[in-house]
Amino acid sequence: KAGVTQTPRYLIKTRGQQVTLSCSPISGHRSVSWYQQTPGQGLQFLFEYFSETQRNKGNFPGRFSGRQFSNSRSEMNVSTLELGDSALYLCASSTLAGGYEQYFGPGTRLTVT
Amino acid sequence: GQQLNQSPQSMFIQEGEDVSMNCTSSSIFNTWLWYKQDPGEGPVLLIALYKAGELTSNGRLTAQFGITRKDSFLNISASIPSDVGIYFCAGLFLTGTASKLTFGTGTRLQVTL
Repeated sequence: KAGVTQTPRYLIKTRGQQVTLSCSPISGHRSVSWYQQTPGQGLQFLFEYFSETQRNKGNFPGRFSGRQFSNSRSEMNVSTLELGDSALYLCASSTLAGGYEQYFGPGTRLTVT
Repeated sequence: GQQLNQSPQSMFIQEGEDVSMNCTSSSIFNTWLWYKQDPGEGPVLLIALYKAGELTSNGRLTAQFGITRKDSFLNISASIPSDVGIYFCAGLFLTGTASKLTFGTGTRLQVTL
């Protein structure tokens, strides 16, 4: 069974631009969660989607948003990029909302210049 | 954002030695998970623990869910070079159908021959 896939793997953007990242969960998984990983803050939860609905949200500004499609694929968007948004963005999928075991993709490395 | 206290922060050990790391929280969790992350990749799930007091093994790895539900430890026996990486604990708290993982600060493991 294929794992979680994320595209693109690497991205360079300029301050003020916006970016969209994509995540395809493991087949049959309906829950997708997004995390931001930085050296200073570690792994921080962004939001969780299940059946196209946001079920939970972390403490991030409104510039960070996401959505989930009927095939469980998810996208996250960051608008008006700031230098501090440079990070590894990880998505994880699980079978159920509040799934006990979350499986991570390889991440998208975003660099904001 | 919140992070769990994980110790030690880093460790150098010799091949063949046993390793122990632990994770503590001020909050209780329903589930504890242990992940390993290699550079440039997403975390890989090693062990999941679902009940207080539970002791679970996966090959050379053994993990326990603390009785208070506020801590967990991971042991690696007879370490080998491929054990090198960063190990993260994560606590999962379910509220209805919503969930989020709270991660530890990570333990960087380096194994010398």
